[in-house]
Amino acid sequence: GESVGLHLPTLSVQEGDNSIINCAYSNSASDYFIWYKQESGKGPQFIIDIRSNMDKRQGQRVTVLLNKTVKHLSLQIAATQPGDSAVYFCAENISGGSYIPTFGRGTSLIVHP
Amino acid sequence: NAGVTQTPKFRILKIGQSMTLQCTQDMNHNYMYWYRQDPGMGLKLIYYSVGAGITDKGEVPNGYNVSRSTTEDFPLRLELAAPSQTSVYFCASSFSNPGTDLRTQYFGPGTRLLVL
Repeated sequence: GESVGLHLPTLSVQEGDNSIINCAYSNSASDYFIWYKQESGKGPQFIIDIRSNMDKRQGQRVTVLLNKTVKHLSLQIAATQPGDSAVYFCAENISGGSYIPTFGRGTSLIVHP
Repeated sequence: NAGVTQTPKFRILKIGQSMTLQCTQDMNHNYMYWYRQDPGMGLKLIYYSVGAGITDKGEVPNGYNVSRSTTEDFPLRLELAAPSQTSVYFCASSFSNPGTDLRTQYFGPGTRLLVL
């Protein structure tokens, strides 16, 4: 899931719909994953994390799913609201490693009222 | 806690000028990071530090320098600014203790830099 110089993919949804944002990670040794939300003009903010010993973790209106077999993460946002419009990044990391996470390319979520 | 603060918020530089982007955190985090984010793109790591007195290069260190004389401060120095350094710069910090749980990064609000 590293940035490879391409522009961000975009997901457009209607307010109230559920959103699913996907992320492919690159390192099979990664065991800690984080989703960040970046609103326009601001720095990224932590949303939810998951460790590799879990397949699913739920927060408030958000759920992260982890499929280690295909190295895939997804972030599900229930009842999407206009305030959810932002760029969403996944990051992967390795416990006991350098603690330098690798960020995915990011997905721009646009919520239409 | 103020968290991670960055100054300035915005700056215009002429080609060849130098400047220092300031970053301070008040959470006693040991790790600090500098990223750049070009328009519509993801985050690229410039430099990072695992503690006071220790710094290391990230993915895109050329044209930048850092220092970490205290736990709180992690300034990023641009020498001989070039148009390719036009970007938004984010500082982040985290607390990571080997052998224990990883912690997430906390980001500052960013510094928008334009080099003309």
